Amino acid sequence: GAVVSQHPSWVICKSGTSVKIECRSLDFQATTMFWYRQFPKQSLMLMATSNEGSKATYEQGVEKDKFLINHASLTLSTLTVTSAHPEDSSFYICSARDEEELSTNEKLFFGSGTQLSVL
Amino acid sequence: GESVGLHLPTLSVQEGDNSIINCAYSNSASDYFIWYKQESGKGPQFIIDIRSNMDKRQGQRVTVLLNKTVKHLSLQIAATQPGDSAVYFCAESKSGSARQLTFGSGTQLTVLP
Repeated sequence: GAVVSQHPSWVICKSGTSVKIECRSLDFQATTMFWYRQFPKQSLMLMATSNEGSKATYEQGVEKDKFLINHASLTLSTLTVTSAHPEDSSFYICSARDEEELSTNEKLFFGSGTQLSVL
Repeated sequence: GESVGLHLPTLSVQEGDNSIINCAYSNSASDYFIWYKQESGKGPQFIIDIRSNMDKRQGQRVTVLLNKTVKHLSLQIAATQPGDSAVYFCAESKSGSARQLTFGSGTQLTVLP
């Protein structure tokens, strides 16, 4: 199946700094990628839809200036948490689907996630 | 305001028994459903999916049942193994731009030796 690579797996940073998380589709192209956030023992909450070559679409309540998304190529989307604070500590997960197989394969493939801890 | 943490529903089964994990979905317009398994500290892994024109689909040791009348989805795992211990999420989507997935609350499955 399609592979989505996410990096880093975990990051610890000081309050006020910015953190960049990368999401790559390794063996397929993805014009659309999705970023989720997950708190302990909770479900995945969609934060934004990343669109290659255009602006991301953010879900209600997600600050676009806080969570910067860049999707500059067909295989790479990045999420930058700007001026991170302890309440931004969470598990961030990206996902994508193989768009060449959309007619027969709609499943989303997920990265391994990034655990962000802001001190 | 203060946020209250949700507690995942839990299911404990003996190794070798069958497991049934249930999910109620919310959108009657959803036409695609999918089950994921998530182990601690990892991203969700695809298990099985089903379209709304079907009511049952089988995979290896897993079966998904869809009841559109009551908007209910279930995942059956046969001969549950210790490696099946994880959180299981159902998700739904409907046709349209981007086909975003909406996740259910999840169920923690624990397999007892």
